[in-house]
Amino acid sequence: TQLLEQSPQFLSIQEGENLTVYCNSSSVFSSLQWYRQEPGEGPVLLVTVVTGGEVKKLKRLTFQFGDARKDSSLHITAAQTGDTGLYLCAVFNAGGTSYGKLTFGQGTILTVHP
Amino acid sequence: SAVISQKPSRDICQRGTSLTIQCQVDSQVTMMFWYRQQPGQSLTLIATANQGSEATYESGFVIDKFPISRPNLTFSTLTVSNMSPEDSSIYLCSVKQVLNTEAFFGQGTRLTVV
Repeated sequence: TQLLEQSPQFLSIQEGENLTVYCNSSSVFSSLQWYRQEPGEGPVLLVTVVTGGEVKKLKRLTFQFGDARKDSSLHITAAQTGDTGLYLCAVFNAGGTSYGKLTFGQGTILTVHP
Repeated sequence: SAVISQKPSRDICQRGTSLTIQCQVDSQVTMMFWYRQQPGQSLTLIATANQGSEATYESGFVIDKFPISRPNLTFSTLTVSNMSPEDSSIYLCSVKQVLNTEAFFGQGTRLTVV
């Protein structure tokens, strides 16, 4: 079973539409991250959420951490073609020999059509 | 932040041969990792590259197949040995400082085994 269940796996929308990507787990996390990856590049960090119920905004992107710190969502308002990419949620392993390692969700491939 | 140079960016290799991928960072970093990614899919951790000692491998990955070196705090190599078509994938180097929550990634090496 996946530690992080990310949905949907694929999203194909028109420019100007809104969308939401979900990242769910049965585990509680001290923090959760969202990355975006464009073709031919490595993932780039968008945001880290650390507090239950926290909402962070990055221009047209809104990130929310669930009250119980088990889930998160990414909402994009008025999507643009430049938002096209692979979106990944991720959590750090907290300690022991796993310290510092990232575990990723399955990813959401977003395609925004002009 | 950290700037990562990963080489080669892509390669096509014959089965049974080996390829060494290099990861050079522009500053000293405490933690370095190697990930594998199928195009459009999520990242899977191969191993943690430890400076001056043997790498720590994740379940399903072994040193004989993926030997890793890390001679100092700015450089690491991953070798994919005795390659088969199943090894065709994108390999990414990642770095992180212990007290920092952000991970940085190289642009990846797209490997095709024929």
